[in-house]
Amino acid sequence: GAVVSQHPSRVICKSGTSVKIECRSLDFQATTMFWYRQFPKQSLMLMATSNEGSKATYEQGVEKDKFLINHASLTLSTLTVTSAHPEDSSFYICSARPPTGEVNTFGSGTRLTVV
Amino acid sequence: SQKIEQNSEALNIQEGKTATLTCNYTNYSPAYLQWYRQDPGRGPVFLLLIRENEKEKRKERLKVTFDTTLKQSLFHITASQPADSATYLCAPNYGGATNKLIFGTGTLLAVQP
Repeated sequence: GAVVSQHPSRVICKSGTSVKIECRSLDFQATTMFWYRQFPKQSLMLMATSNEGSKATYEQGVEKDKFLINHASLTLSTLTVTSAHPEDSSFYICSARPPTGEVNTFGSGTRLTVV
Repeated sequence: SQKIEQNSEALNIQEGKTATLTCNYTNYSPAYLQWYRQDPGRGPVFLLLIRENEKEKRKERLKVTFDTTLKQSLFHITASQPADSATYLCAPNYGGATNKLIFGTGTLLAVQP
């Protein structure tokens, strides 16, 4: 079945620094990938749709200059949290859908802690 | 805007009983609806998909129904087990080129032995 790999699984960074999270589709090509954020005891909130070879589409209220998304190849999307602050601490999850499928496959998530 | 609501309270049931989780949406019906399971600290895992023109879908101990009149989907787990304890998320999909998923609030299910 389709597999999406996300790295790192956990990261701790200092306030003001930037952190990059990678999302890879291992056995299929994905022209679009999705980035979600999840705070404790809350559901997944869609942040943006990553589009291969073009700009990402951000959901309302998500700062595109703070959450930089790059989808340079058909198997890799990256999310960079720039100038991270403690309130950016959260669980970030990516997903992708194989071209011939209807189901979105999710990565295992990245726990970001900003200290 | 579209809203997706699930049982906000945690659902506690006894092992062996049937768990029933609800998912209600507003406005227009999705082309199909998916149910996912999420364990703490992990990404969601796909369970079942039901289309707009389907009334019911089954997979082993799982059953999903879809009522477009009530704007509701029900998710059933029969003969529940402690291992079924997790958060269950519904995600209507309205089609379109991007196939983005918007999730419901999620329901935490706890099956007591």
